[in-house]
Amino acid sequence: SQQGEEDPQALSIQEGENATMNCSYKTSINNLQWYRQNSGRGLVHLILIRSNEREKHSGRLRVTLDTSKKSSSLLITASRAADTASYFCATAPLTGTASKLTFGTGTRLQVTL
Amino acid sequence: EAQVTQNPRYLITVTGKKLTVTCSQNMNHEYMSWYRQDPGLGLRQIYYSMNVEVTDKGDVPEGYKVSRKEKRNFPLILESPSPNQTSLYFCASSSPGIVSPLHFGNGTRLTVT
Repeated sequence: SQQGEEDPQALSIQEGENATMNCSYKTSINNLQWYRQNSGRGLVHLILIRSNEREKHSGRLRVTLDTSKKSSSLLITASRAADTASYFCATAPLTGTASKLTFGTGTRLQVTL
Repeated sequence: EAQVTQNPRYLITVTGKKLTVTCSQNMNHEYMSWYRQDPGLGLRQIYYSMNVEVTDKGDVPEGYKVSRKEKRNFPLILESPSPNQTSLYFCASSSPGIVSPLHFGNGTRLTVT
């Protein structure tokens, strides 16, 4: 069952621009994670933000979480062609194990030179 | 190098011919899981395992079997594949906690004719 829904479904920007993608979810969460998937390859974990955190940074990535709106955003600053990939949010419920992580349908990001 | 290894990478088969997709991880993770990825549907969990000899159904288990005889291996078995099982399959592993990021294999693209 899907919990997170990403928006937009697809995004095309030029190298050097910032890319913002959003994730909305329905039920209360313990944490929200973002993953990247290069074409046809396995997903790679990018960052995890817990429900009691509002913002987190990792290199050129900035993630925000608004639990009152049940939404998160992933900002990639100064994008590069190598950032071209699909990005997925995944939500973890309040209780349970790793087995309860559910994924959205993803945002396809295209970064052109 | 810490990794999840899936084999084969590509597989074309015919309806009804039993097949096994292997998955192995070298990170001593208790938790392992299988997902399928289809356009527009995101990642859907097929089966998961919290430890050796402990497996459970995910969201779309019909037509699949798994086993967990050793901690490092978690094969996915399709006893009688059908065309609607044509998909991209991913194995993932992690520590069992709700804040543990998943490590994914590189995927197996299965086509059933």
